[in-house]
Amino acid sequence: SQQGEEDPQALSIQEGENATMNCSYKTSINNLQWYRQNSGRGLVHLILIRSNEREKHSGRLRVTLDTSKKSSSLLITASRAADTASYFCATDAGRRALTFGSGTRLQVQP
Amino acid sequence: DAGVIQSPRHEVTEMGQEVTLRCKLISGHNSLFWYRQTMMRGLELLIYFNNNVPIDDSGMPEDRFSAKMPNASFSTLKIQPSEPRDSAVYFCASTSWEGTEAFFGQGTRLTVV
Repeated sequence: SQQGEEDPQALSIQEGENATMNCSYKTSINNLQWYRQNSGRGLVHLILIRSNEREKHSGRLRVTLDTSKKSSSLLITASRAADTASYFCATDAGRRALTFGSGTRLQVQP
Repeated sequence: DAGVIQSPRHEVTEMGQEVTLRCKLISGHNSLFWYRQTMMRGLELLIYFNNNVPIDDSGMPEDRFSAKMPNASFSTLKIQPSEPRDSAVYFCASTSWEGTEAFFGQGTRLTVV
């Protein structure tokens, strides 16, 4: 079963705009991770935020975590056509195996 | 390091045939995960190993599925007999002992006709 649910399911923006994706989860977690999947490829780790952190930055990525609401958001600033991909949140609830959400398909129009 | 390597990349087989998917972990990683991805169900964890020992196989759909890790760097996922509903992309991923960041292979796209 899906631990996380991403919202929206699909997002289409113009190059240069910001893209925000949200993730909700159900159980207590040790950390939450975001992954990207290009079409026909495997998932690639983007960023990890621990349960005691509220915000983290990495380049054009900004992740927030609200454990009281069991939610996280991923912001991609100044998007590029190359950011077109599906984005997944994944939660680590302490058993080492990650549980993935349903994903957001991002389309960045050049 | 070449990363996690899966083979084959594509497999088309007839219903009832045995299918074996292969995965080579990143050197030094000690946890191995098999996931299945479909449009309907997303990414599902099938089974995972820690130090070659299966820890949780509750995601394995049924007895037709089996997974082994004969050594620290290699794993197989076998489906026997295969059915059309097994059609999906199968991923393996590995992590090191010190973290949970998962490194994924490129996947095997399985089509059972």
